[in-house]
Amino acid sequence: AQSVTQLDSHVSVSEGTPVLLRCNYSSSYSPSLFWYVQHPNKGLQLLLKYTSAATLVKGINGFEAEFKKSETSFHLTKPSAHMSDAAEYFCVVSAARTAGRRALTFGSGTRLQVQP
Amino acid sequence: DVKVTQSSRYLVKRTGEKVFLECVQDMDHENMFWYRQDPGLGLRLIYFSYDVKMKEKGDIPEGYSVSREKKERFSLILESASTNQTSMYLCASSLMGPDSYEQYFGPGTRLTVT
Repeated sequence: AQSVTQLDSHVSVSEGTPVLLRCNYSSSYSPSLFWYVQHPNKGLQLLLKYTSAATLVKGINGFEAEFKKSETSFHLTKPSAHMSDAAEYFCVVSAARTAGRRALTFGSGTRLQVQP
Repeated sequence: DVKVTQSSRYLVKRTGEKVFLECVQDMDHENMFWYRQDPGLGLRLIYFSYDVKMKEKGDIPEGYSVSREKKERFSLILESASTNQTSMYLCASSLMGPDSYEQYFGPGTRLTVT
């Protein structure tokens, strides 16, 4: 079975400083990995995706993530935090279910706070 | 603009009641999903459907059932609501095929069972 572990439930940074949200995955083969973001009182939105092409993937709003097979990690980074980045972030893996159908498995989430 | 709508934002029900949560998408997506979201647990998949009248159990189907009579509509049913089903319920839809990982989510229904 495939799974993801988000190592921090809460991260607090100051505006203008770098953001690092950590995610480790467990998979018996090369996974497809994603980050989703949920802003307060808004729906979840896909931030970026890794589907076995380039290992460094860029997403919306200046976020990027690097797939590191040797470390089984897919950490999310941003060079400079903005107040609007305050949200909950989910690391997600796409896993096959019955009859080859795929469904998403979500991590427990990391709440990012950005201090002025 | 893509849209997934859920019938209620907030719902309060009593223990033992039958509860229906409705979800409608206007994107002609084949796949539809129901999740519940609880603090510290992320989103957990309850059921999903990849075609009309087809359904698959997710990770936590106990106490729930679903219905998909039309492509655009996917209903979650709590046959006899219990207090441990108090949660935020999220519906999502996606295309079939290689882009199926990109799911579009509704705003959620916060259900309280008293």
